[in-house]
Amino acid sequence: NAGVTQTPKFRILKIGQSMTLQCTQDMNHNYMYWYRQDPGMGLKLIYYSVGAGITDKGEVPNGYNVSRSTTEDFPLRLELAAPSQTSVYFCASRTTGNSYEQYFGPGTRLTVT
Amino acid sequence: AQSVTQLGSHVSVSEGALVLLRCNYSSSVPPYLFWYVQYPNQGLQLLLKYTSAATLVKGINGFEAEFKKSETSFHLTKPSAHMSDAAEYFCAVSDRTGTASKLTFGTGTRLQVTL
Repeated sequence: NAGVTQTPKFRILKIGQSMTLQCTQDMNHNYMYWYRQDPGMGLKLIYYSVGAGITDKGEVPNGYNVSRSTTEDFPLRLELAAPSQTSVYFCASRTTGNSYEQYFGPGTRLTVT
Repeated sequence: AQSVTQLGSHVSVSEGALVLLRCNYSSSVPPYLFWYVQYPNQGLQLLLKYTSAATLVKGINGFEAEFKKSETSFHLTKPSAHMSDAAEYFCAVSDRTGTASKLTFGTGTRLQVTL
């Protein structure tokens, strides 16, 4: 099993450009999450999904959009990139049940200049 | 609402010394608590978790943590630090209410291990 995979690993965007961060999991997990990590701030939840076709906002959703057309994929879309979106982005997933443990991907480091 | 406070953004210990990383939580429901480790340029890896069974939880790489309800704490310890333990450590609490059971993370503690 590959677990949670994310592409690309690194990306530099110019202000106002758009891009999609890809996230795929092969564990048949229903729940998926997008976080951003900024130095000294821990991880902040951007969006999450409890299953295909169902998404909801987290703590810091502004400037981002998501979709969940399949169980495996949960892409994060940045429209009109801004310097404030410079961050490391992590995707995570978990199964249903009572463990609540989330499995994380390796991250995408995004710089907006 | 739930929150996590990690005391000390940087902790430095000598190799072979005790590691103690502090975590205090706030939760309106009995919490599930987690410690994750992040090595440089990698994602987060679960070290251990508390899910209301035994209050002393053992994890990977010799780490353990004790849930103390009276102190609202879940401190992470390891008896003897190794150079390979140098990483950033995150404490997290689970929102067991709602459908998504979201995690709220602390701001992290960077552990440095010196010779």
